Amino acid sequence: QSALTQPPSASGSPGQSVTISCTGTSSDVGGYNYVSWYQQHPGKAPKLMIYEVSKRPSGVPDRFSGSKSGNTASLTVSGLQAEDEADYYCSSYTGSNNLRVFGTGTKVTVL
Amino acid sequence: QVQLVESGGGVVQPGRSLRLACAASGFTFSSYAMHWVRQAPGKGLEWVAHISYDGSNKDYADSGKGRFTISRDNSKNTLYVQMNSLRAEDTAVYYCAREIVATIGFDYWGQGTLVTVSS
Repeated sequence: QSALTQPPSASGSPGQSVTISCTGTSSDVGGYNYVSWYQQHPGKAPKLMIYEVSKRPSGVPDRFSGSKSGNTASLTVSGLQAEDEADYYCSSYTGSNNLRVFGTGTKVTVL
Repeated sequence: QVQLVESGGGVVQPGRSLRLACAASGFTFSSYAMHWVRQAPGKGLEWVAHISYDGSNKDYADSGKGRFTISRDNSKNTLYVQMNSLRAEDTAVYYCAREIVATIGFDYWGQGTLVTVSS
């Protein structure tokens, strides 16, 4: 159950786009279309932003989009806004016994 | 509105036990699988355990297997985790989270309860 690999940090100016990668293996990210993404502001609970690789829950702005290629999933935040500054975590189903795994987390800074 | 409220955290000595609870409201609790997820201070999220909607299926991360037991009481709309033989590395904020119906992902989270394992 090794954590999925994310870059520690990413940044962009307001209005720009930032893309965060999430790399796993064929046993998790690459094997299933069950990648989800969470936003976490300091001291707060995580919030679901994307599920099933690219689906947005109601209320999540369409500036947030997800994709996957092979063993790597990606979250793109377009039109960066100050409130997007937060930690972002990916998560994947691992296919065995309902196990789940999270990514190492990426701190997004809006310059 | 959906609410998940954790309780039971605190300071506990290594080797001791603690039971956390998560009170659910605003939805039909008995229809949803539930999870515990933890976050050590300054660290990332770590999945802990899963329980099916009816309690018949339970799964654990290796870190808690044999020490943690997840359970639920659908008559009380409450999720639990019993944590035994606690270690310093179990120190974390523990969140309960609801599984999205008919798919995989955590759509609602509680505010978390802090467990500190220290002598």
